[in-house]
Amino acid sequence: GAGVSQSPSNKVTEKGKDVELRCDPISGHTALYWYRQSLGQGLEFLIYFQGNSAPDKSGLPSDRFSAERTGGSVSTLTIQRTQQEDSAVYLCASSSGVLTYEQYFGPGTRLTVT
Amino acid sequence: AQSVSQHNHHVILSEAASLELGCNYSYGGTVNLFWYVQYPGQHLQLLLKYFSGDPLVKGIKGFEAEFIKSKFSFNLRKPSVQWSDTAEYFCAVSPMNRDDKIIFGKGTRLHILP
Repeated sequence: GAGVSQSPSNKVTEKGKDVELRCDPISGHTALYWYRQSLGQGLEFLIYFQGNSAPDKSGLPSDRFSAERTGGSVSTLTIQRTQQEDSAVYLCASSSGVLTYEQYFGPGTRLTVT
Repeated sequence: AQSVSQHNHHVILSEAASLELGCNYSYGGTVNLFWYVQYPGQHLQLLLKYFSGDPLVKGIKGFEAEFIKSKFSFNLRKPSVQWSDTAEYFCAVSPMNRDDKIIFGKGTRLHILP
C-alpha cells in the first residue's frame, strides 16, 4: 500500500478481555515499530522488529503484551487481560532501515478499556 | 540509557511570532536527531533530521533545527509561525547508524492564535 495502515482504528473493550491490533507496514520496509501514545506521555517505545525477529522486547510494559510479525510484513500486537491503564493510542511505524532511518507512521489504533 | 527531554509541554503563540522549542538528549555516543510533527487528525510525519555535517538543518515548512553537541541540544526554530503550524511536535534521538533504538520526547503542543 501507499502508507502504513492499522486496524481497527478504534477499539473499545471490557477490562479483562484480550485484544489484537494489526499493522500493515509499507511494502518492502524491513523495520517495524510499535509505540504507545498516552496523553501527556509522548510516544512510549514498545517493540522493534527487523524482518520477523524482535531483538529488543524490553519496551513491552508487562507480560500481558506480546507482538509478532510474519512474512516480514504484517505485525500483530496482542494485549491479554486488558486493564484500564492500557487505554491509549497504539502507533505502528515502518522504516526501510537503510540510510535515512526515517519512520513512517500509521494512523494508530485508539484503544479504550472500560 | 538514552532519554529525550522537551522542556515546553504547551506553547501558545500569535501568528508571525518566532518559535523555539527546546530539546535536550542524553546519550554518550554519536546520535541521529529528528523532529516529528503531528497535525490535528493526521499521522506523525518527519519534519527534519540531523545525521552529520552542517549542524543547522533545514526542514519542511520553514522549520530549522540546530544541533549543539556541547549542549546535547537540538532545538527547533521557525522565524514566523502560521496558524497552520498548530500541532504537536516530538523530538527523537537514536544512536548513530542504528534504527532499533529511537527514543521520543513527550512532545510539545503548539497552539497558534490567528
